[in-house]
Amino acid sequence: EDQVTQSPEALRLQEGESSSLNCSYTVSGLRGLFWYRQDPGKGPEFLFTLYSAGEEKEKERLKATLTKKESFLHITAPKPEDSATYLCAVYGGGADGLTFGKGTHLIIQP
Amino acid sequence: GAGVSQSPSNKVTEKGKDVELRCDPISGHTALYWYRQRLGQGLEFLIYFQGNSAPDKSGLPSDRFSAERTGESVSTLTIQRTQQEDSAVYLCASSLYRGSYEQYFGPGTRLTVT
Repeated sequence: EDQVTQSPEALRLQEGESSSLNCSYTVSGLRGLFWYRQDPGKGPEFLFTLYSAGEEKEKERLKATLTKKESFLHITAPKPEDSATYLCAVYGGGADGLTFGKGTHLIIQP
Repeated sequence: GAGVSQSPSNKVTEKGKDVELRCDPISGHTALYWYRQRLGQGLEFLIYFQGNSAPDKSGLPSDRFSAERTGESVSTLTIQRTQQEDSAVYLCASSLYRGSYEQYFGPGTRLTVT
């Protein structure tokens, strides 16, 4: 059974204070690891797909990296508008749908 | 272009009533997914439609849940004899085809069973 664990559950940062969110996973036959952003009352918004260990992707202040056991979402010099819940999900060889972690609730204080 | 749309956005129903939730996928997307998000929990995969293939219903929580899709367009998720534990946000996602893996989500339907 595919499993995803995200840490920390919540993180409060000052504006400009860089940090990283962790996503540990176990999956049989990884076909993709996904990061989403979810704002309150809205559906998840797609950010990145990573397919193989060593892969990295960037978008504005966000950078996602992947190893064989975990992924990190690095946030550089965050702004208050980066406050959201960040979700990690995997797509395994035996699954029809994504397996999600519970998310990291990120708050950036001005 | 238009994203995934869902209706209603909110639904309050009495225990024991049936409810029907609707999802309009992104035009041209052949794969459609339903998920459930309970308070404080991660998204839970329910069911997936790809083209005209019969869906695998094993992820549905109980036999009170059913889902249909008309061709490669609208899908409905029906919950019969609702229970309080069915209260959740029901999210729909679509992807261009299964191989692309990237799923784009709608805003969800918040279901409250009283």
